[in-house]
Amino acid sequence: KAGVTQTPRYLIKTRGQQVTLSCSPISGHRSVSWYQQTPGQGLQFLFEYFSETQRNKGNFPGRFSGRQFSNSRSEMNVSTLELGDSALYLCASSSEGTAEIEKLFFGSGTQLSVL
Amino acid sequence: DQQVKQNSPSLSVQEGRISILNCDYTNSMFDYFLWYKKYPAEGPTFLISISSIKDKNEDGRFTVFLNKSAKHLSLHIVPSQPGDSAVYFCAATGNQFYFGTGTSLTVIP
Repeated sequence: KAGVTQTPRYLIKTRGQQVTLSCSPISGHRSVSWYQQTPGQGLQFLFEYFSETQRNKGNFPGRFSGRQFSNSRSEMNVSTLELGDSALYLCASSSEGTAEIEKLFFGSGTQLSVL
Repeated sequence: DQQVKQNSPSLSVQEGRISILNCDYTNSMFDYFLWYKKYPAEGPTFLISISSIKDKNEDGRFTVFLNKSAKHLSLHIVPSQPGDSAVYFCAATGNQFYFGTGTSLTVIP
C-alpha cells in the first residue's frame, strides 16, 4: 500500500506570494490533517478534513486554508506569505471507523522557505 | 495553549543504557496517548500507544507508562541503540491530535 505522498518536497517563495501544497493520503483513508513544524514549536495542528468537510481547525490565521477533494486528496494554501511561515508542513492521513486505535500516517512533508 | 508538553528538548544516552523520555499533559479527557519517532527529512512514524484505561504498554524494547493522576507519560527504550537517535514526539487524542514539542534523542555508540 502506498504511503502518504506530499508534493513538492521543497519550495522557496518570497514574502507576499502565495503557495499551494498537495497531499495524497493512503488509499482508503478519508481523514487528512495538516501540521506545521518549526524548531522549538513541535507539530502545530492546522486543520483536518474528512469527506471533503473541514472538521477541525487549529489556531492559525485565515491566510492558511485548505480543501479536500472527493478522492480524499487535499491541498493547503497559504496566501500573503510571511517570513515566519517558513516551516516543514506535514500532511497525515488516518482511517476511521476501524477497530484499531486511530493512528496518523505522515508524509515526508514540504519544506517551505520564505525569503 | 500547549496541552501536551515535552520539557526536555534533548537527551543523550550511551548505547545499551535506558532512555527515558517524558511528556506531561493538561487535559484529563484525552483518550489515547501515542509516541511518534521522526528522522530528519522524513515524516513522523508511529511507535507505540496506550489507552487511558491502561497504565503500561510494551512492544519489544519500547514501553510506555501512563500516570493519569500526575497527567504524565513516559517512554522507556531498553536497551538504547544508535538507530534510536531521532526526535520523539508524544501525542494525545481528543477531538484532534495534540503533539508535544519533541525530544531529540542521541544514542552514543
